[in-house]
Amino acid sequence: QIQLVQSGPELKKPGESVKISCKASGYTFTDYAMHWVKQAPGKGLKWMGWINTYTGKPTYADDFKGRFVFSLEASASTANLQISNLKNEDTATYFCASGEGFAYWGQGTLVTVSS
Amino acid sequence: DIVMTQGALPNPVPSGESASITCRSSKSLVYKDGKTYLNWFLQRPGQSPQLLTYWTSTRASGVSERFSGSGSGTYFTLKISRVRAEDAGVYYCQQVREYPFTFGSGTKLEIK
Repeated sequence: QIQLVQSGPELKKPGESVKISCKASGYTFTDYAMHWVKQAPGKGLKWMGWINTYTGKPTYADDFKGRFVFSLEASASTANLQISNLKNEDTATYFCASGEGFAYWGQGTLVTVSS
Repeated sequence: DIVMTQGALPNPVPSGESASITCRSSKSLVYKDGKTYLNWFLQRPGQSPQLLTYWTSTRASGVSERFSGSGSGTYFTLKISRVRAEDAGVYYCQQVREYPFTFGSGTKLEIK
């Protein structure tokens, strides 16, 4: 069946970087875009942007331009999210999502930024 | 950016009753292809969001017929018939009409 499996939780210090992976299985990876969604503790969902899984072209929402990078390892059906120069406000669960209408979601990766 | 505004529910909702959640967008979600790009999700505590309906009213695979989406233009409703304990959680509407895609702030459903 279709699955998106994300990498495990991360504990980082301010200023460090983190890379989250999202491995897709059960469908042709390039059939759907991969989206990234942020959920701060106790808060709602915020769309970060998406990456075209066929061309590799990323598109970022305004709040996620600069320190955030979407990338692919297409041969491994994997999408990655890298966040550099981490700040306390980056503490959140990050989800990857794909499929028609965001039908498929990863389990989420909790990133905690704390000194 | 398109702003999505969700209504509240009169919690808790008795099991077996119906519940309707409203969602209003600041701009029409009708695209030039004629489709209306509005999704509904349920996020149960500690879980990932689950797609319920897309294109306003098309139920996602495996979703109970008790969930029905309706609406047009800028006003949308998700109706949950005969609510059950498993329906508890936070419901989000999302527009995918134009970038940036935006979510409503969420509507919590508690079951009595």
